[in-house]
Amino acid sequence: GENVEQHPSTLSVQEGDSAVIKCTYSDSASNYFPWYKQELGKGPQLIIDIRSNVGEKKDQRIAVTLNKTAKHFSLHITETQPEDSAVYFCAASRGASFGNEKLTFGTGTRLTIIP
Amino acid sequence: DVKVTQSSRYLVKRTGEKVFLECVQDMDHENMFWYRQDPGLGLRLIYFSYDVKMKEKGDIPEGYSVSREKKERFSLILESASTNQTSMYLCASSSLSSGAYEQYFGPGTRLTVT
Repeated sequence: GENVEQHPSTLSVQEGDSAVIKCTYSDSASNYFPWYKQELGKGPQLIIDIRSNVGEKKDQRIAVTLNKTAKHFSLHITETQPEDSAVYFCAASRGASFGNEKLTFGTGTRLTIIP
Repeated sequence: DVKVTQSSRYLVKRTGEKVFLECVQDMDHENMFWYRQDPGLGLRLIYFSYDVKMKEKGDIPEGYSVSREKKERFSLILESASTNQTSMYLCASSSLSSGAYEQYFGPGTRLTVT
């Protein structure tokens, strides 16, 4: 089955600096890569995703890049703010066709923004 | 907004008890999932369901069972709770018909087995 590794497990950055979280996956058939943010006391929430036919996707201060050849993808947060402090999870999937909706999650990164 | 609710935020049970965790979603989603979340291990899939009365094993089904008698409700059952099942349990739902792949999560149930 799919195996997703995520690094680092903890990350502290000064407010206004950038943060980068990296993930690798093992299943070459995976084609959908979402990122979830989990705030304290809440369930994870999707913040951005990318499909394998795209190399990069951006949404305001967050961006995700995908290198299919190397089987790795990364989350980039620029101009970090205190509300970015949370646990971030990457995930991989073979896509949302019947039977393939399963997500395999990474182990999570606790991001702390230092004011 | 999609809403996924879980019956309890905190639960304390004794070893050997039968435990029911309930999850309800209000968006008519076909797919529902149960995960457990442990520090350093991320989210691991226990069971999922594509439709009423259908269920599929996830990555760590041992010691658990599920029930889906109605589309909106997905129950996780610990037949005989053990201390190694102390964890945060998260329910999620999704739908293919919307064309989006997003899973919507409930707030979680923190289960302690003593």
